[in-house]
Amino acid sequence: EVQLVESGGGLVQPGGSLRLSCTASGFTFSRYEMTWVRQAPGKGLEWVSYITSSGSTIYYADSVKGRFAISRDNAKNSLYLQMNSLRAEDTAVYYCARVAVAHYGMDVWGQGTTVTVSS
Amino acid sequence: EIVMTQFPATLSVSPGERATLSCRASQSVSSNLAWYQQKPGQAPRLLIYGASTRATGIPARFSGSGSGTEFTLTISSLQSEDFAVYYCQQYNNWPPLTFGGGTKVEIK
Repeated sequence: EVQLVESGGGLVQPGGSLRLSCTASGFTFSRYEMTWVRQAPGKGLEWVSYITSSGSTIYYADSVKGRFAISRDNAKNSLYLQMNSLRAEDTAVYYCARVAVAHYGMDVWGQGTTVTVSS
Repeated sequence: EIVMTQFPATLSVSPGERATLSCRASQSVSSNLAWYQQKPGQAPRLLIYGASTRATGIPARFSGSGSGTEFTLTISSLQSEDFAVYYCQQYNNWPPLTFGGGTKVEIK
């Protein structure tokens, strides 16, 4: 079964850091580009970051640029999101998602991990 | 940045009726548009890509159309499991990848 499982969410104070992980199974992770998408409580979807299959190309949303870092370890079938200098507005469910081969839609999603930034 | 606008924000439909959802891009995205369905407490699910191609396992009652700046998702006969929030997303000109604000399809 093709699956993505996120972990690492939790409660963190403003200015703090958190590292999210996403573990893939059921497909050849190293062949796929990956993204992080977040959803604030009661709000819509917001793209956060993207990484190519090799990790050679990375993009960020302006809202997280300079504070978040995406990375991957293909040997461990894992995607990461290092989040620093967290703000209240970063509070959201964070999803990792697989980028489809033939287009840039997202064809597989994890169940999400919740990040709450609050004092 | 391409801004995606969805309307209406909420659509009230009776089971068995047709639902028509709209998505507009602030500039042309060609046919590089996807639609997603999200139910409460669940992750989004890819329905349509390339504006009109159903993703694997998506029932034929879901159809997408449009190109350029105007797009439509049609659900031909609403089933109980179709009541959800639907998002469009463009991938023509990015970063950033951008989503519309969503349309909630609720039971009338």
